[in-house]
Amino acid sequence: NAGVTQTPKFQVLKTGQSMTLQCAQDMNHEYMSWYRQDPGMGLRLIHYSVGAGITDQGEVPNGYNVSRSTTEDFPLRLLSAAPSQTSVYFCASSYAGTAFSSYEQYFGPGTRLTVT
Amino acid sequence: EDKVVQSPLSLVVHEGDTVTLNCSYEVTNFRSLLWYKQEKKAPTFLFMLTSSGIEKKSGRLSSILDKKELFSILNITATQTGDSAIYLCAVEYGGSQGNLIFGKGTKLSVKP
Repeated sequence: NAGVTQTPKFQVLKTGQSMTLQCAQDMNHEYMSWYRQDPGMGLRLIHYSVGAGITDQGEVPNGYNVSRSTTEDFPLRLLSAAPSQTSVYFCASSYAGTAFSSYEQYFGPGTRLTVT
Repeated sequence: EDKVVQSPLSLVVHEGDTVTLNCSYEVTNFRSLLWYKQEKKAPTFLFMLTSSGIEKKSGRLSSILDKKELFSILNITATQTGDSAIYLCAVEYGGSQGNLIFGKGTKLSVKP
């Protein structure tokens, strides 16, 4: 199993450009999510999905779009990049469950995005 | 406002010391609390806690949750330099699975 993969690893964008960060997992996990991590801010949830066709907003969704057409893929789209979106982006996945079942969330290696 | 607060923000200890990391939370409809370890890359899962008073243990690491006082602690005994990392606490909350809020983390440095 490759686990959770993210591409690209590094990206530099100019303000106003658009791009898609790719995330894929081969563990048949229902739950997938996107986080951004900024110095001193910890991880902040952008969007998440509990299954194909279902997405929801997290703590900081503005400026980002997602879709979940397959179980395996969960791309994150920046429609018009801004310098405030400079960050490290992590994708994660896990099995879905209730609060009373243990599930481990696996993280991808991250994408370092710089917007100039 | 939903929030997760970790303390201390950073900590320097020597090998062999025992450390206690704290995580307090205020959220609506608590579902679970999770601990992660982050070295120079992606976070890795340590524990998931849902019930008060039940200790979870893995080697030298252990954690417990107090749902009445709204906090959790992560203990590391006989620390080693390989324990140096940022330890993240996250709380899952709300009406459905998947909505997580993270604390800012505790940066632990273990000196030889």
